[in-house]
Formats: sequence, C-alpha cells, structure tokens
Amino acid sequence: SQTIHQWPATLVQPVGSPLSLECTVEGTSNPNLYWYRQAAGRGLQLLFYSVGIGQISSEVPQNLSASRPQDRQFILSSKKLLLSDSGFYLCAWSLDTQYFGPGTRLTVL
Amino acid sequence: GESVGLHLPTLSVQEGDNSIINCAYSNSASDYFIWYKQESGKGPQFIIDIRSNMDKRQGQRVTVLLNKTVKHLSLQIAATQPGDSAVYFCAENNQAGTALIFGKGTTLSVSS
Repeated sequence: SQTIHQWPATLVQPVGSPLSLECTVEGTSNPNLYWYRQAAGRGLQLLFYSVGIGQISSEVPQNLSASRPQDRQFILSSKKLLLSDSGFYLCAWSLDTQYFGPGTRLTVL
Repeated sequence: GESVGLHLPTLSVQEGDNSIINCAYSNSASDYFIWYKQESGKGPQFIIDIRSNMDKRQGQRVTVLLNKTVKHLSLQIAATQPGDSAVYFCAENNQAGTALIFGKGTTLSVSS
C-alpha cells in the first residue's frame, strides 16, 4: 500500500531564516505531487504541483520554491521566511485521487 | 473563475442523526469531485469521490450526491457518530485537470 511522509511535523523558525520541508511517498511510481498551505480555519491553497522529476508548476507567486530531485521526493523551500509563511503545509500525491500527508505546522516568529 | 464553496460553515447534529453537508461548485466542466475529512492537526483524509457520469455513490455510512444541473454536491453521513466530528471539504478538479480546487470547509460537530 502507498504511504506518504512529511517532516518535520512541527517547526518554529525566525523571520528571515531558510526553510526546507520534505515529503516522500512509498508504494507508487511516478505520482503527481503537490504542496498546499492551509491557514488557520481556512481551506487549502495549492502552492506547487509536479508531474515528474524536475517538473514543477507554481500556482501562486511567493517566496517559496519547490523541487523534485527524485520520483517520490518533493521538497518545499524558502531562502528567507516571512511572518505570512506561517501555516499548515500539506503534501499530497495522486495517480488519480489525491491523498494527503500528515502535514507540517510552521510558525514563523 | 473556478471556485468551490460550501453552504454552511458549521453544522451541529446529535449522535445517531443523519448529517448532510452541501457544496456548490462553479465550473460546469469539472468531471471529478471528492469529499475529504480533516481532523484537527491532521491532513485531509479521503472519504469518497464521484465522477460526473454518476449522480450518486455510496460508501460505508456515506453517500455522495451530484446534481450537475444546479452544480451541487452533497455528502450524507448516516447515523453520525462523535468520531465524525471534523472539518469536511469538497473539492473539484481544476480546468486543466492537474489539481484540485477546495472549498472553505464545513465544521461538523456531533454531540452525544
């Protein structure tokens, strides 16, 4: 069966610091991969999606970036975090239906 | 533009009642819809999906109804239990078919 992992589970970072969130998927090949952000009490905002290694599409302009160095690895990064980057970050994979990881709670102070 | 919304932000029911959560979508070209359940601090969990060639689909204690004429989607939960308390999101595929568009969510509260 397929599983999706995200780490870290929680993260507190100062403004201006870099960020690296990692997502890995097991049990499937060549999935579509997604990064979403969810602000407190709100819906999910799609940030990036990838249909293959090195192929990244950005949905919203921001100071975040994404990379897919391996088929089942998706990384969300930032060089300098902003206060507004705080939120719950979710990775998802799909071949058809989307399945979500457990999420990373990011607090930028 | 594309958007998915839910009629009510909150729904409170008694244990054992049936719950109905509604969703309206705007993209008449959408052909795939999903309901997710999200518990506090966790990622959304897939509940049930439906394609546009169907009007109804049933799972374990859940039924999804799709009315393409009025672009309306609903999730029915039978014999609601306290463990069903969560935020429920509907989602539709975007115009390119590459990602999902989510509504804002309905918070279901089940009291014993």
